[in-house]
Amino acid sequence: KAGVTQTPRYLIKTRGQQVTLSCSPISGHRSVSWYQQTPGQGLQFLFEYFSETQRNKGNFPGRFSGRQFSNSRSEMNVSTLELGDSALYLCASSLDEESSGGYTFGSGTRLTVV
Amino acid sequence: GQNIDQPTEMTATEGAIVQINCTYQTSGFNGLFWYQQHAGEAPTFLSYNVLDGLEEKGRFSSFLSRSKGYSYLLLKELQMKDSASYLCAVRDRGFKTIFGAGTRLFVKA
Repeated sequence: KAGVTQTPRYLIKTRGQQVTLSCSPISGHRSVSWYQQTPGQGLQFLFEYFSETQRNKGNFPGRFSGRQFSNSRSEMNVSTLELGDSALYLCASSLDEESSGGYTFGSGTRLTVV
Repeated sequence: GQNIDQPTEMTATEGAIVQINCTYQTSGFNGLFWYQQHAGEAPTFLSYNVLDGLEEKGRFSSFLSRSKGYSYLLLKELQMKDSASYLCAVRDRGFKTIFGAGTRLFVKA
């Protein structure tokens, strides 16, 4: 079966712009989580969606937002981009929030802000 | 706050056994996960512990002590392909999964 698909793979944006990243989870998975990964900070939790509802949110500013659609696909948006937003953004899906099977991660979107 | 600690780097020899430790302080506990991440790739799920004790999966085993807030990942018969980062992650009371910074393991011949 298809894995978690993230688009685009690479993105270069200018400071002040906004960006939308997309994630299609594994078919049947209803939980989608987003993480920011940087060399110094590791994986930082952004938010988690389950059945179109945001269940959890990390400690990121309001410029970071997301949503989940009825088909479980998810998008995250970053407005007013800053240089420090340059990172790998990973989407992960699981059957549900209590799954013992862990996450399946997508390959990520590498965002560079110049 | 929530905190997960792991050693930054470890080096081991091919064929040997290595233990990667993880200690955590989180808002409640709903399971602990270990992931492997090769350079330039996404993390992949290795193991899950929710009750105390040892879970074995082939060459990999994971141990949990909830009272001590402690886990370890044991890798046996190390192979060169095991060179990767190993991430400890804890799912808290609110089902939010927090990751440690990861342990970079170098396997030498």
